[in-house]
Amino acid sequence: DAGVIQSPRHEVTEMGQEVTLRCKPISGHNSLFWYRQTMMRGLELLIYFNNNVPIDDSGMPEDRFSAKMPNASFSTLKIQPSEPRDSAVYFCASSYGDRGTEAFFGQGTRLTVV
Amino acid sequence: KQEVTQIPAALSVPEGENLVLNCSFTDSAIYNLQWFRQDPGKGLTSLLLIQSSQREQTSGRLNASLDKSSGRSTLYIAASQPGDSATYLCAVKGAGNNRKLIWGLGTSLAVNP
Repeated sequence: DAGVIQSPRHEVTEMGQEVTLRCKPISGHNSLFWYRQTMMRGLELLIYFNNNVPIDDSGMPEDRFSAKMPNASFSTLKIQPSEPRDSAVYFCASSYGDRGTEAFFGQGTRLTVV
Repeated sequence: KQEVTQIPAALSVPEGENLVLNCSFTDSAIYNLQWFRQDPGKGLTSLLLIQSSQREQTSGRLNASLDKSSGRSTLYIAASQPGDSATYLCAVKGAGNNRKLIWGLGTSLAVNP
């Protein structure tokens, strides 16, 4: 398996534009997590899905952020409209099992909003 | 509310030294604890996973211990090498229905040749 695949690897966009980040989890994993990482706050869990259903989105910072998982092999994180303070590295991770015992991470998407 | 702290924030050592990274957590009701490694510009790699019922786990030159009662875990790296240079993160998963990992800010390690 190629692991968790995220795209794009880098994204530079202007403030106010819509940004869509994509994630393909490891085949067979049924939990998917979206994280944001910044120097100041470290890793923050934004949302996680279990069996394609959002379980906890309490980490989503604002209504500008939304995430979907239309099927077991694909998820998106959308920011609309984007703001400079959204600049960060966004990671997707997947795992197997109800408790997600071990999480496998993608390489991340580095988002810069100017 | 679970909080995870890692000390030190940064560490620089000469090659060959044995070293210890520390992780502390405030709520001892945990499901498991994991140590991850992150290389610059890369994703995270899980190094060791310790279940709440375990005291330690070993993988090669790495040994992680867990003391739930005191809310501490240590990652021991034997005979450090320049290739060990990375940021090491500790993450705790709570017991009960909470599936979230709570993360420390990491220890940035530099092993100098």
